[in-house]
Amino acid sequence: GAGVSQSPSNKVTEKGKDVELRCDPISGHTALYWYRQSLGQGLEFLIYFQGNSAPDKSGLPSDRFSAERTGGSVSTLTIQRTQQEDSAVYLCASSSGSNQPQHFGDGTRLSIL
Amino acid sequence: GQNIDQPTEMTATEGAIVQINCTYQTSGFNGLFWYQQHAGEAPTFLSYNVLDGLEEKGRFSSFLSRSKGYSYLLLKELQMKDSASYLCAVRLSQGGKLIFGQGTELSVKP
Repeated sequence: GAGVSQSPSNKVTEKGKDVELRCDPISGHTALYWYRQSLGQGLEFLIYFQGNSAPDKSGLPSDRFSAERTGGSVSTLTIQRTQQEDSAVYLCASSSGSNQPQHFGDGTRLSIL
Repeated sequence: GQNIDQPTEMTATEGAIVQINCTYQTSGFNGLFWYQQHAGEAPTFLSYNVLDGLEEKGRFSSFLSRSKGYSYLLLKELQMKDSASYLCAVRLSQGGKLIFGQGTELSVKP
């Protein structure tokens, strides 16, 4: 597609459940990033994939969070045993290289009840 | 630690000029980005500075001084649609991840 695509756009789930968020980057973009934006807060870096290199996981807040990128394209962010503080908008971005501007998707709004 | 500061909110008048400042103290520096984010929408890329000086792109300009850890975004001929949050972000030397400021909420009044 023309832009970064994320699904679902909204997700409501009960505390303790696992969730999977999907990101389809811009075709040909080798770099993919996950951020989250809590209400009234700035964007917080989570994880970064660049080509076949080992991902930079330094922003993941706990071991309940994990992400993978299959075939150098689509990425899935998984949150296990969700907590209420996980409620946020999860944004995915991609770029044609680590030194190029990042282009964001519309995000997934996650609400934990 | 990483620290990026920008004003929380600003108000300006349609047709006027507004300058949004950003100061940063980070462990590395490999470029500064400005993004615009309308409520409920994705951030959209506005500008990028890696060397000192002014970058101009239509009604938007961005300035960088690396020695002072300072940048500003200048918006000219303000329009109502410019009401949005403006995000300052620094790319650290290691990898391509961005560290964002809290954003400046700009309100443009008639």
